[in-house]
Amino acid sequence: AQTVTQSQPEMSVQEAETVTLSCTYDTSESDYYLFWYKQPPSRQMILVIRQEAYKQQNATENRFSVNFQKAAKSFSLKISDSQLGDAAMYFCAYRSEGIQGAQKLVFGQGTRLTINP
Amino acid sequence: DVKVTQSSRYLVKRTGEKVFLECVQDMDHENMFWYRQDPGLGLRLIYFSYDVKMKEKGDIPEGYSVSREKKERFSLILESASTNQTSMYLCASTVGGLVYEQYFGPGTRLTVT
Repeated sequence: AQTVTQSQPEMSVQEAETVTLSCTYDTSESDYYLFWYKQPPSRQMILVIRQEAYKQQNATENRFSVNFQKAAKSFSLKISDSQLGDAAMYFCAYRSEGIQGAQKLVFGQGTRLTINP
Repeated sequence: DVKVTQSSRYLVKRTGEKVFLECVQDMDHENMFWYRQDPGLGLRLIYFSYDVKMKEKGDIPEGYSVSREKKERFSLILESASTNQTSMYLCASTVGGLVYEQYFGPGTRLTVT
């Protein structure tokens, strides 16, 4: 079974600085998808960024980017120019390729990010 | 925009009660999911459904059951609530096939006393 590990329960960063959240995963599959989800204090979970394992290029969404190291099974999230609205719980998630019943996400433990003004 | 709603934000029940958590999505999604979220454990999948009346167990199905009689609605049932089921419960949905973004509801904080 796949597992996802986030080893940083809490992180903090000064506003406008850059922060990197770590995520490692374990799998024997070669094709899969990785995600970062954000859960603000209001609790509605939203997708931040996704990465397909077959793509070598790291995904980027505005101030959010990932460092995907497939051989090392590492998938970190970098937030540039941190803003107060970035304060949230961040979850790394893994999805194996497939349809119907195989379309499940496995989540890490989460990292609580605090932005200091 | 996709909207996933859950029947209650906060719920307090007594041990042994039967508890129903309701989830409704408005985007005609085939797949729906129930997770529980606990500090330090992240989200763990309880059950999911990939079609009306179809369901599959997730990683922690014990003590729970589900019902999906209509495509837009997915219910989580605690047959006899216990204190160790005190948790945050999140519902999610996604369209079938290879589209894989899950849309989440706001969550229900359940306390069993």
